[in-house]
Order: sequence, then structure tokens, then C-alpha cells
Amino acid sequence: GEDVEQSLFLSVREGDSSVINCTYTDSSSTYLYWYKQEPGAGLQLLTYIFSNMDMKQDQRLTVLLNKKDKHLSLRIADTQTGDSAIYFCAEGDQAGTALIFGKGTTLSVSS
Amino acid sequence: ETGVTQTPRHLVMGMTNKKSLKCEQHLGHNAMYWYKQSAKKPLELMFVYNFKEQTENNSVPSRFSPECPNSSHLFLHLHTLQPEDSALYLCASSQEGTVGASYEQYFGPGTRLTVT
Repeated sequence: GEDVEQSLFLSVREGDSSVINCTYTDSSSTYLYWYKQEPGAGLQLLTYIFSNMDMKQDQRLTVLLNKKDKHLSLRIADTQTGDSAIYFCAEGDQAGTALIFGKGTTLSVSS
Repeated sequence: ETGVTQTPRHLVMGMTNKKSLKCEQHLGHNAMYWYKQSAKKPLELMFVYNFKEQTENNSVPSRFSPECPNSSHLFLHLHTLQPEDSALYLCASSQEGTVGASYEQYFGPGTRLTVT
């Protein structure tokens, strides 16, 4: 079945870069997404990448997609304490009726 | 503020109670979703409504009953819940069926449900 895997925790120092990795199994996924969840809040869409792209950059965020290995990563440059949150990778197919989420990576940023 | 609101934000209910969760989206979307988020588990899709018609029901127990009276509102009616149903219930919406759309889902803040 479809599955999305992420490491559960990542700890970095303020100012460093963070790289959160994700692997997925459904090769028919059309879009891959990164969501952020702060304590007590719902999920906020950070960015997404279309499956025919290798990279997408949006300010401090860089998404890399290796479709052959079904590997997705999110790099956050100059990580700030406000970036501390849970980051979810998700995949969606063409119909877009359901997203498959990973368990989330908790990013902890220390000053 | 994502344009999706949920009420109440917190709910404590006994196993014999009946309560309802409400979701409203102000984005003009045509699809709405209920997800369950439990500790240490992936987000679980519960129900999907497209144009007010239920298109997915992921083997959810009948003690959860969704209702979608129009494309802007979604309810989750709860009755005779179990303690293991305690979780964060998230509502989301998206725009389906549009050529070139990226199908991203916009989430509400969730209702933290505790069943005692």
C-alpha cells in the first residue's frame, strides 16, 4: 500500500540549515507537499512540488525531489527558533481526493 | 488564518454523550475532509466530501457520522465514543477538478477531543 516515511526528530542550532527527509512509495503521486504544524494549531501548507520537477526554491525553503528513489527533502536555510514545529511530508495523486501523510518530523531549534 | 475555521477548539465528553464538531471554509472550495490526528500515528483520513457527496469513508466506525449540508460546511457527529477516540480532529478543504490545480489542502486549527 501507499506509505510515506519520515524520521521522527531533528535537532539543529539557530542559524544552521535543517534538512528533513521523506520517502514515499506511490510512483503515481502527482504532487508532493510539505506542511508545518505548530503546537496547538492545524497544518499549514509550506510548499509543494510537482512530480516532474527536481527542485523548487521559495525564500529560505528548498525542496528537492528524486523521483527515481522516491525521495523528497525540505531544506530550511538559516533556521530560526520560530521554525520549531512538526513538519509533515504528504503525497497526492492526480484525483487529489486524498493526501497520504507521513508521521511528521519534529524539528527542535536551539539558540 | 487559513480560511478554515473549526468549533469548538476543545471538547471533553463522556462515552454516553452526543456532540458535534463543526467546520466552515471561506475559500470557495468544493471538497472537504475530516482527519484524525493521534499521538505518534500518521494523520488518518476519515471522510471526504466532493461537491457535498461523500466520496471516501476510510472504514470509520459508525459512532462517527459526517454531514455536509453545503460546500462550505462540514459536521462530524459523535456518539458513544471510546477513550481511544481522543485525538485532534482536523478539517481541511481544497478545490478539486480544476485543470492545473495543485490540490493543496487548507487545514483548520482542529478540535482537541478528550473522551472520558
